Amino acid sequence: SQTIHQWPATLVQPVGSPLSLECTVEGTSNPNLYWYRQAAGRGLQLLFYSVGIGQISSEVPQNLSASRPQDRQFILSSKKLLLSDSGFYLCAWGPSIEQYFGPGTRLTVT
Amino acid sequence: KQEVTQIPAALSVPEGENLVLNCSFTDSAIYNLQWFRQDPGKGLTSLLLIQSSQREQTSGRLNASLDKSSGRSTLYIAASQPGDSATYLCAVGAGNMLTFGGGTRLMVKP
Repeated sequence: SQTIHQWPATLVQPVGSPLSLECTVEGTSNPNLYWYRQAAGRGLQLLFYSVGIGQISSEVPQNLSASRPQDRQFILSSKKLLLSDSGFYLCAWGPSIEQYFGPGTRLTVT
Repeated sequence: KQEVTQIPAALSVPEGENLVLNCSFTDSAIYNLQWFRQDPGKGLTSLLLIQSSQREQTSGRLNASLDKSSGRSTLYIAASQPGDSATYLCAVGAGNMLTFGGGTRLMVKP
């Protein structure tokens, strides 16, 4: 069966510090991969998606970037965090029309 | 641009009641509609997926319907239990992308 992992589970970072969140999927190959952000009191916003290694599409202009160095690994990064980057970050994978979500990372920028 | 709205935003019911959560979308050109459950501080759990050619899906006490022409979906929960307390999200899919509603926060009181 397929499983999706995210780490860390929680993170507190000062403004201006770098960020690296990791997502890995097991039990499948060549999945579509997604990064979402859920800010307090707001819905899920799609940040990035990837249909293959090295192929990244960005949905909104922002302070973040994504990379897919391996088939089942998706990384969300920032060189300098802003207060507005605080939120709950969710990674998801999908074979095609469905999406399955990881446990999320709670990021607080102070 | 697809917009997804969920009504009500919050709902509190006594245990045992049958209830209906509503989801509406503006663009009927969808591939599928997916209902998720999110517990506080957790990721999303997929409940039901309705493909565009289907009108409803059932899983246990849950029944989801889809009316593409009117841009509406409902999630029916029978005989609600305190364990059903969570936020319920609907998401409409087009291609590999999902657009989420803001969610309905459900509280089932014992």
